Amino acid sequence: QVQLQESGPGLVKPSETLSLTCTVSGGSISRYYWTWIRQSPGKGLEWIGYIYYAGGTYYNPSLRSRITISVDTSKNQFSLKLRSVTAADTAFYYCARFLHPEEGFDPWGPGTLVTVSS
Amino acid sequence: QSALTQPASVSGSPGQSITISCTGTSSDVGGYNYVSWYQQHPGKAPRLFIYDVSNRPSGVSNRFSGSKSGNTASLTISGLQAEDEADYYCTSFTSGSTWVFGGGTKLTVL
Repeated sequence: QVQLQESGPGLVKPSETLSLTCTVSGGSISRYYWTWIRQSPGKGLEWIGYIYYAGGTYYNPSLRSRITISVDTSKNQFSLKLRSVTAADTAFYYCARFLHPEEGFDPWGPGTLVTVSS
Repeated sequence: QSALTQPASVSGSPGQSITISCTGTSSDVGGYNYVSWYQQHPGKAPRLFIYDVSNRPSGVSNRFSGSKSGNTASLTISGLQAEDEADYYCTSFTSGSTWVFGGGTKLTVL
Protein backbone atom coordinates (compact mmCIF):
# COMPACT_ATOMS: atom_id res chain seq x y z
CA GLN A 1 0.00 0.00 0.00
CA VAL A 2 1.43 3.34 -1.06
CA GLN A 3 2.21 5.79 1.72
CA LEU A 4 3.29 9.42 1.50
CA GLN A 5 5.27 11.37 4.08
CA GLU A 6 6.01 15.09 4.04
CA SER A 7 9.25 16.39 5.56
CA GLY A 8 11.00 19.70 5.95
CA PRO A 9 11.56 22.59 8.35
CA GLY A 10 8.65 23.49 10.56
CA LEU A 11 9.73 27.11 10.86
CA VAL A 12 10.71 29.46 8.04
CA LYS A 13 11.60 33.15 8.28
CA PRO A 14 9.68 35.75 6.29
CA SER A 15 11.11 36.43 2.80
CA GLU A 16 12.94 33.09 2.79
CA THR A 17 12.16 29.91 0.83
CA LEU A 18 9.96 27.13 2.15
CA SER A 19 11.25 23.72 1.06
CA LEU A 20 9.34 20.47 1.57
CA THR A 21 9.85 16.92 0.32
CA CYS A 22 7.29 14.15 -0.06
CA THR A 23 8.68 10.62 0.12
CA VAL A 24 6.67 7.85 -1.54
CA SER A 25 6.95 4.38 -0.03
CA GLY A 26 5.30 1.07 -0.89
CA GLY A 27 5.10 1.85 -4.60
CA SER A 28 6.80 3.61 -7.48
CA ILE A 29 6.54 7.30 -8.22
CA SER A 30 6.28 6.42 -11.91
CA ARG A 31 3.01 6.63 -13.92
CA TYR A 32 1.36 9.02 -11.48
CA TYR A 33 0.79 12.73 -10.90
CA TRP A 34 1.93 14.15 -7.56
CA THR A 35 0.38 17.18 -5.96
CA TRP A 36 0.80 19.63 -3.10
CA ILE A 37 -2.14 21.07 -1.16
CA ARG A 38 -2.11 23.37 1.85
CA GLN A 39 -4.48 24.40 4.60
CA SER A 40 -4.04 27.46 6.78
CA PRO A 41 -4.98 26.70 10.39
CA GLY A 42 -8.74 26.71 10.71
CA LYS A 43 -9.24 27.39 6.99
CA GLY A 44 -10.04 25.46 3.86
CA LEU A 45 -7.91 23.51 1.41
CA GLU A 46 -5.91 25.28 -1.29
CA TRP A 47 -4.44 23.45 -4.25
CA ILE A 48 -0.80 24.47 -4.85
CA GLY A 49 0.36 22.53 -7.90
CA TYR A 50 1.18 19.14 -9.39
CA ILE A 51 3.90 17.37 -11.30
CA TYR A 52 3.85 14.34 -13.55
CA TYR A 53 6.50 11.76 -12.74
CA ALA A 54 8.13 12.54 -16.09
CA GLY A 55 8.35 16.20 -15.16
CA GLY A 56 5.46 18.31 -16.49
CA THR A 57 4.07 20.82 -13.97
CA TYR A 58 0.93 22.88 -13.38
CA TYR A 59 0.65 25.51 -10.67
CA ASN A 60 -2.08 27.50 -8.94
CA PRO A 61 -2.16 30.80 -10.86
CA SER A 62 -2.18 32.76 -7.60
CA LEU A 63 1.08 31.13 -6.47
CA ARG A 64 2.76 30.43 -9.80
CA SER A 65 5.36 33.18 -9.57
CA ARG A 66 6.72 31.79 -6.29
CA ILE A 67 6.51 28.01 -6.74
CA THR A 68 8.70 25.27 -8.09
CA ILE A 69 7.71 21.60 -7.87
CA SER A 70 10.26 18.98 -8.88
CA VAL A 71 10.53 15.20 -8.87
CA ASP A 72 13.41 12.82 -8.17
CA THR A 73 12.42 9.39 -9.45
CA SER A 74 15.68 7.83 -8.20
CA LYS A 75 14.70 8.70 -4.63
CA ASN A 76 10.94 8.21 -5.09
CA GLN A 77 10.45 11.79 -3.91
CA PHE A 78 8.98 15.04 -5.11
CA SER A 79 9.52 18.48 -3.66
CA LEU A 80 7.98 21.91 -3.22
CA LYS A 81 9.80 25.22 -3.05
CA LEU A 82 7.83 28.35 -2.18
CA ARG A 83 9.84 31.56 -2.35
CA SER A 84 9.46 34.88 -0.55
CA VAL A 85 7.17 33.51 2.13
CA THR A 86 5.04 35.64 4.44
CA ALA A 87 2.89 34.84 7.45
CA ALA A 88 0.06 34.10 5.02
CA ASP A 89 1.97 31.00 3.91
CA THR A 90 1.74 29.47 7.39
CA ALA A 91 -0.21 26.27 6.84
CA PHE A 92 -0.38 22.52 6.97
CA TYR A 93 1.16 21.26 3.75
CA TYR A 94 -0.06 17.95 2.31
CA CYS A 95 1.23 15.86 -0.56
CA ALA A 96 -1.06 13.49 -2.48
CA ARG A 97 -1.24 11.36 -5.63
CA PHE A 98 -3.56 10.98 -8.58
CA LEU A 99 -3.44 8.80 -11.67
CA HIS A 100 -6.17 10.40 -13.72
CA PRO A 101 -8.13 13.60 -12.89
CA GLU A 102 -11.38 11.68 -12.52
CA GLU A 103 -9.90 9.49 -9.79
CA GLY A 104 -9.24 12.22 -7.23
CA PHE A 105 -6.36 12.60 -4.80
CA ASP A 106 -5.54 9.37 -3.00
CA PRO A 107 -3.65 8.72 -0.85
CA TRP A 108 -2.58 11.78 1.12
CA GLY A 109 0.35 12.27 3.42
CA PRO A 110 -0.40 13.09 7.06
CA GLY A 111 0.63 16.71 6.51
CA THR A 112 3.27 18.92 8.03
CA LEU A 113 2.83 22.31 9.67
CA VAL A 114 5.05 25.08 8.40
CA THR A 115 5.06 28.32 10.35
CA VAL A 116 6.43 31.51 8.85
CA SER A 117 7.81 33.70 11.60
CA SER A 118 10.94 35.60 12.51
CA GLN B 1 -9.52 30.80 -10.58
CA SER B 2 -12.21 31.21 -7.92
CA ALA B 3 -12.95 28.69 -5.21
CA LEU B 4 -16.00 26.51 -5.65
CA THR B 5 -18.95 27.54 -3.50
CA GLN B 6 -20.06 25.29 -0.65
CA PRO B 7 -22.34 26.07 2.29
CA ALA B 8 -20.27 26.85 5.37
CA SER B 9 -22.25 24.45 7.51
CA VAL B 10 -25.02 21.88 7.42
CA SER B 11 -26.56 19.81 10.17
CA GLY B 12 -28.84 16.85 10.63
CA SER B 13 -30.02 14.37 13.20
CA PRO B 14 -28.90 10.75 13.29
CA GLY B 15 -30.69 8.72 10.65
CA GLN B 16 -31.56 11.73 8.51
CA SER B 17 -30.13 12.61 5.11
CA ILE B 18 -28.26 15.76 4.19
CA THR B 19 -26.92 17.18 0.96
CA ILE B 20 -23.91 19.42 0.48
CA SER B 21 -23.74 21.45 -2.71
CA CYS B 22 -20.64 22.52 -4.62
CA THR B 23 -21.14 25.19 -7.26
CA GLY B 24 -18.62 26.14 -9.88
CA THR B 25 -18.63 27.23 -13.49
CA SER B 26 -18.62 25.72 -16.95
CA SER B 27 -14.80 25.88 -16.77
CA ASP B 28 -14.65 23.43 -13.89
CA VAL B 29 -17.59 21.54 -12.37
CA GLY B 30 -19.83 22.02 -15.38
CA GLY B 31 -17.18 21.15 -17.92
CA TYR B 32 -15.79 17.92 -16.52
CA ASN B 33 -16.88 14.86 -14.56
CA TYR B 34 -13.70 15.27 -12.54
CA VAL B 35 -15.35 16.18 -9.24
CA SER B 36 -14.25 14.53 -6.03
CA TRP B 37 -15.20 14.89 -2.38
CA TYR B 38 -13.05 14.60 0.72
CA GLN B 39 -13.87 14.08 4.38
CA GLN B 40 -11.60 15.64 7.00
CA HIS B 41 -11.77 15.03 10.72
CA PRO B 42 -10.04 17.52 13.06
CA GLY B 43 -6.28 17.11 13.09
CA LYS B 44 -6.35 14.58 10.26
CA ALA B 45 -5.49 14.63 6.59
CA PRO B 46 -8.42 14.70 4.15
CA ARG B 47 -9.63 11.34 2.83
CA LEU B 48 -11.11 10.67 -0.59
CA PHE B 49 -14.80 9.78 -0.29
CA ILE B 50 -16.20 10.30 -3.80
CA TYR B 51 -14.41 10.50 -7.16
CA ASP B 52 -15.52 10.92 -10.76
CA VAL B 53 -18.67 12.71 -9.48
CA SER B 54 -20.37 9.64 -8.06
CA ASN B 55 -17.95 6.77 -7.47
CA ARG B 56 -16.94 5.53 -4.03
CA PRO B 57 -13.49 4.17 -3.24
CA SER B 58 -13.43 0.79 -1.57
CA GLY B 59 -14.11 1.09 2.12
CA VAL B 60 -16.44 4.08 1.86
CA SER B 61 -19.99 3.41 3.01
CA ASN B 62 -22.76 3.34 0.41
CA ARG B 63 -24.53 5.90 2.58
CA PHE B 64 -22.38 8.44 0.72
CA SER B 65 -23.38 9.33 -2.82
CA GLY B 66 -22.46 12.01 -5.34
CA SER B 67 -24.18 13.62 -8.28
CA LYS B 68 -23.90 16.56 -10.62
CA SER B 69 -26.26 18.82 -12.52
CA GLY B 70 -24.89 21.59 -14.65
CA ASN B 71 -22.34 23.61 -12.69
CA THR B 72 -23.34 22.15 -9.31
CA ALA B 73 -22.14 18.91 -7.77
CA SER B 74 -23.70 17.43 -4.66
CA LEU B 75 -22.73 15.05 -1.89
CA THR B 76 -25.57 13.27 -0.12
CA ILE B 77 -25.14 11.39 3.12
CA SER B 78 -28.04 9.19 4.13
CA GLY B 79 -28.66 7.57 7.50
CA LEU B 80 -26.48 10.13 9.29
CA GLN B 81 -24.21 8.74 11.97
CA ALA B 82 -22.21 10.52 14.64
CA GLU B 83 -18.97 9.49 12.93
CA ASP B 84 -19.99 11.46 9.82
CA GLU B 85 -19.45 14.72 11.69
CA ALA B 86 -16.49 16.29 9.89
CA ASP B 87 -15.54 18.86 7.28
CA TYR B 88 -16.28 18.05 3.64
CA TYR B 89 -14.52 19.53 0.63
CA CYS B 90 -15.25 19.26 -3.06
CA THR B 91 -12.70 19.74 -5.78
CA SER B 92 -12.82 19.94 -9.55
CA PHE B 93 -10.36 19.79 -12.39
CA THR B 94 -10.45 22.93 -14.52
CA SER B 95 -10.07 24.00 -18.13
CA GLY B 96 -6.60 25.29 -17.27
CA SER B 97 -5.52 21.80 -16.24
CA THR B 98 -5.44 22.99 -12.65
CA TRP B 99 -7.53 22.09 -9.63
CA VAL B 100 -9.83 24.18 -7.48
CA PHE B 101 -11.31 23.35 -4.07
CA GLY B 102 -14.54 24.40 -2.46
CA GLY B 103 -14.40 26.40 0.74
CA GLY B 104 -15.47 23.42 2.81
CA THR B 105 -18.63 22.51 4.71
CA LYS B 106 -18.78 21.65 8.39
CA LEU B 107 -21.27 18.86 9.02
CA THR B 108 -22.75 18.71 12.50
CA VAL B 109 -24.69 15.65 13.60
CA LEU B 110 -27.17 16.89 16.18
